[in-house]
Amino acid sequence: KQEVTQIPAALSVPEGENLVLNCSFTDSAIYNLQWFRQDPGKGLTSLLLIQSSQREQTSGRLNASLDKSSGRSTLYIAASQPGDSATYLCAVYNQGGKLIFGQGTELSVKP
Amino acid sequence: GAGVSQSPSNKVTEKGKDVELRCDPISGHTALYWYRQSLGQGLEFLIYFQGNSAPDKSGLPSDRFSAERTGGSVSTLTIQRTQQEDSAVYLCASSLDGLAHLKNIQYFGAGTRLSVL
Repeated sequence: KQEVTQIPAALSVPEGENLVLNCSFTDSAIYNLQWFRQDPGKGLTSLLLIQSSQREQTSGRLNASLDKSSGRSTLYIAASQPGDSATYLCAVYNQGGKLIFGQGTELSVKP
Repeated sequence: GAGVSQSPSNKVTEKGKDVELRCDPISGHTALYWYRQSLGQGLEFLIYFQGNSAPDKSGLPSDRFSAERTGGSVSTLTIQRTQQEDSAVYLCASSLDGLAHLKNIQYFGAGTRLSVL
């Protein structure tokens, strides 16, 4: 059974700092991995999707990496801003397309 | 529509009542998913529709939960005889095609917050 773990559960950093969020999964036979952002009371916004054949994806200040063999992904946020404050969720696609989510990392960026 | 739409956004009900939650997927998306987000449980998969059929209902927690999809579009999640542990945010997502993974980017609605008193 696929399990996804995110560390840390919560993180508070000063504005401008670079930071890394970690995600690990127990079954390396995944199709894709996706990082989402969730603001309080809102749905999920997709940030980056990494296909199983890829090693990383970049979008603006965000960079996500994937190491399937070790069951790990990281989300790197450069030059963090208060607007980046949110919960970040990692999810893997199992066969059939359903997403298996981690518990999330709650990020707070202080001005 | 422009995005996945869910209604109601909030629902308060009494224990034992039935509730219906509605999801309008993005037009043209054949795959539709229901997830539940509970405090302390994270986000968990409930059911997946491809068209009007549900090849994967493995996440439905009990027989009080059911879902249907008509016309390959709108879906309704029904919870009968609600219990306090059903209180959660119910999220719906849709994607172009649930089988071809490159097309399986899921777009989420804002969710329905259910509170069972």
